[in-house]
Amino acid sequence: GAGVSQSPSNKVTEKGKDVELRCDPISGHTALYWYRQSLGQGLEFLIYFQGNSAPDKSGLPSDRFSAERTGGSVSTLTIQRTQQEDSAVYLCASSLGQGAGELFFGEGSRLTVL
Amino acid sequence: AQSVTQLDSQVPVFEEAPVELRCNYSSSVSVYLFWYVQYPNQGLQLLLKYLSGSTLVESINGFEAEFNKSQTSFHLRKPSVHISDTAEYFCAVTSPSGYSTLTFGKGTMLLVSP
Repeated sequence: GAGVSQSPSNKVTEKGKDVELRCDPISGHTALYWYRQSLGQGLEFLIYFQGNSAPDKSGLPSDRFSAERTGGSVSTLTIQRTQQEDSAVYLCASSLGQGAGELFFGEGSRLTVL
Repeated sequence: AQSVTQLDSQVPVFEEAPVELRCNYSSSVSVYLFWYVQYPNQGLQLLLKYLSGSTLVESINGFEAEFNKSQTSFHLRKPSVHISDTAEYFCAVTSPSGYSTLTFGKGTMLLVSP
């Protein structure tokens, strides 16, 4: 596709369950980002992948959160033992990398933890 | 570390009135600055950016922003707003290094009424 694709678009889960959110970036983009958008909190940086470099995981809120990027393309964000405070929209973005290229965002995955 | 402050969480205006959305940043290094817009039920998209050169930058739909280094500001303005400008606007900052993330403000909701 032409844009950043995220799935699922909506996910409702029970507290304590694990969830996986997927991001398919724009072909050729070397940089991939995950952000979390909560009401009134803006966009919170989670993790950043740039090419073959070690990812910047400094934004992950706890060890329940992890992400990987396979083959320099698709990325999966995993949240283990979900809590109600994990409810948010999880946004993925990609860019050509190397500094201030424009970020292209997907439409997000809305996670609701009951 | 970098940070962005958007002083207004919500700005209500009437159609055809001028508007200014305020953004201040904090950074110990040189910066690149961005405004992103999120229309209702859509993903974020780039509105305009300042990388270097002229401190006044413009978008295709009539918005402009001016980089003011002494005041560490990057306020967004439009002389006459339309109903269709109703959206959430996010200011963001990054450094020109080749490995840096984009730090966002908490967003300003622009509400344009007839």
